[in-house]
Amino acid sequence: AQSVSQHNHHVILSEAASLELGCNYSYGGTVNLFWYVQYPGQHLQLLLKYFSGDPLVKGIKGFEAEFIKSKFSFNLRKPSVQWSDTAEYFCAVNAGAAGNKLTFGGGTRVLVKP
Amino acid sequence: DTEVTQTPKHLVMGMTNKKSLKCEQHMGHRAMYWYKQKAKKPPELMFVYSYEKLSINESVPSRFSPECPNSSLLNLHLHALQPEDSALYLCATRAYPSTNEKLFFGSGTQLSVL
Repeated sequence: AQSVSQHNHHVILSEAASLELGCNYSYGGTVNLFWYVQYPGQHLQLLLKYFSGDPLVKGIKGFEAEFIKSKFSFNLRKPSVQWSDTAEYFCAVNAGAAGNKLTFGGGTRVLVKP
Repeated sequence: DTEVTQTPKHLVMGMTNKKSLKCEQHMGHRAMYWYKQKAKKPPELMFVYSYEKLSINESVPSRFSPECPNSSLLNLHLHALQPEDSALYLCATRAYPSTNEKLFFGSGTQLSVL
């Protein structure tokens, strides 16, 4: 079965600081990887996704993620955060053999102080 | 129209009540999902419909009964719920039941069971 783990439950940082959120998955076959964001009071939105090709994926709002197959990781990064990046971030995996099932990690709450 | 519309936004029900949650989309998406999200937790998959047929049931108790009457509508019928079923219920859709397409999420129905 596929599973996803996010290392940090809470991250607090100041504006202009760099952000990196860890995500590891457990599945040995072909996977599709996603990062979703949930801003306070809003619905889940896709930040970026990886399914093939260049392992460095660029998403919306200056976010990027790197797929490292050997480490089963898909870490999210942003070089300089803004107060508006305060949100909960979810890593998710959809393994080929699991068909339609998208499994979410536990989430990381990010608080950016102005 | 790229929205997934869920109604009602809030619902309070007693343990003996019967109620239904509704999800509607007009994007022509053929995969539709119900997720349950408890506070400060990731979304947990409940059901998946592919081409209007139930394809995944994540061992959800029978007091939750999904229905997909047509390709635009997804319902979740609730009966004899327990207080621990209180949560945010999210509907999501995907263009096709393929693993590299993103999910579009609705804003959810916040359910409280008294």
